[in-house]
Amino acid sequence: AQSVTQLGSHVSVSEGALVLLRCNYSSSVPPYLFWYVQYPNQGLQLLLKYTTGATLVKGINGFEAEFKKSETSFHLTKPSAHMSDAAEYFCAVSDRSNYQLIWGAGTKLIIKP
Amino acid sequence: EPEVTQTPSHQVTQMGQEVILRCVPISNHLYFYWYRQILGQKVEFLVSFYNNEISEKSEIFDDQFSVERPDGSNFTLKIRSTKLEDSAMYFCASQMTGTEAFFGQGTRLTVV
Repeated sequence: AQSVTQLGSHVSVSEGALVLLRCNYSSSVPPYLFWYVQYPNQGLQLLLKYTTGATLVKGINGFEAEFKKSETSFHLTKPSAHMSDAAEYFCAVSDRSNYQLIWGAGTKLIIKP
Repeated sequence: EPEVTQTPSHQVTQMGQEVILRCVPISNHLYFYWYRQILGQKVEFLVSFYNNEISEKSEIFDDQFSVERPDGSNFTLKIRSTKLEDSAMYFCASQMTGTEAFFGQGTRLTVV
């Protein structure tokens, strides 16, 4: 069965610093890959996705992620953190034939002033 | 912009009572899902629904749970006899083939 691992339940960065949130998946066949963001007391919003094509994908709010097949990774980055980025970030994958999402445990991003 | 709508946003119910959580998916979407998130834990898949029937369900989705799409627009999740451990945020999602799932804002279910 597929699984998703997000390294670090909490990541703390200073405002203006690089954000790096890690995601690894277990699958022999590259799945569809997603990052969702959840602000406090809100629903899940898609940040970006990888389905096919260019392995570096850009999303909303200045985030991007790179699919690395050899590392089975899909890490999320943002060059310069903003206070408004404080939220919980979830990596998710879905099988290319079955679109059910398998979720990572989430990483809470904390931004220090 | 089309969106997935869930009602109510918060429901409090007594243990043993039945609850129905309602969702209106995006109108031209084909796949429908329920997920849940127990406070402080990861999001978990409950069930997927396609072509008017359940296509996948997790081990969480036992006989106490059922889903229905009664009128072509609403998509409901029923819990027959709620338990304390059913307290969670329940998310409805819908998608077209091969695209991302769009999520509703969630219904926070509190069982007391």
